[in-house]
Amino acid sequence: AQRVTQPEKLLSVFKGAPVELKCNYSYSGSPELFWYVQYSRQRLQLLLRHISRESIKGFTADLNKGETSFHLKKPFAQEEDSAMYYCAPDLRSRGSNYKLTFGKGTLLTVNP
Amino acid sequence: DAGVTQSPTHLIKTRGQQVTLRCSPKSGHDTVSWYQQALGQGPQFIFQYYEEEERQRGNFPDRFSGHQFPNYSSELNVNALLLGDSALYLCASSPHGAPLHFGNGTRLTVT
Repeated sequence: AQRVTQPEKLLSVFKGAPVELKCNYSYSGSPELFWYVQYSRQRLQLLLRHISRESIKGFTADLNKGETSFHLKKPFAQEEDSAMYYCAPDLRSRGSNYKLTFGKGTLLTVNP
Repeated sequence: DAGVTQSPTHLIKTRGQQVTLRCSPKSGHDTVSWYQQALGQGPQFIFQYYEEEERQRGNFPDRFSGHQFPNYSSELNVNALLLGDSALYLCASSPHGAPLHFGNGTRLTVT
């Protein structure tokens, strides 16, 4: 069955510490992968997508096809990084637009 | 640019009733997708509209239907409401072939 798993529902770190939010997927083929973030009282917004290989707000994510993982990392967490993070593969039909399948999310809290 | 706007923000309905939720996409976006987010869960894909037609659909019953208008705005209709339909309903828009921009959602409570 096609599945995306974010094993940690809650993650708490101290400011300045490294942070890694885990995402594992189980799909046939090679879907495009995204991380979305939701800050308190704000809408869900795109953080990064693996094909662009950009670093947004200091976050990076490497696609590991062997482990079928797409973990989100940041070397030094900031208090403003506290938010809900969702991993989301794209499972669109051929010729269609993006159809994201979201994990259950990880709530990151960065303590001062 | 106002981004993706949804109305109403909150709604309370009784079991068995019907509800219509509305979405105006971000300017320049022609594709609208609808998601249901239950409490403590990630958003679940309901369906997607492009060129006024339903293009993709998730695992939702026929009680969930939609429409897209020529100006790209969209409606989500849910018939015969169940208590389990209580959730945050998110609309997302995009230019065709680009990632999604989400609205703030409509909170539906079914009593």
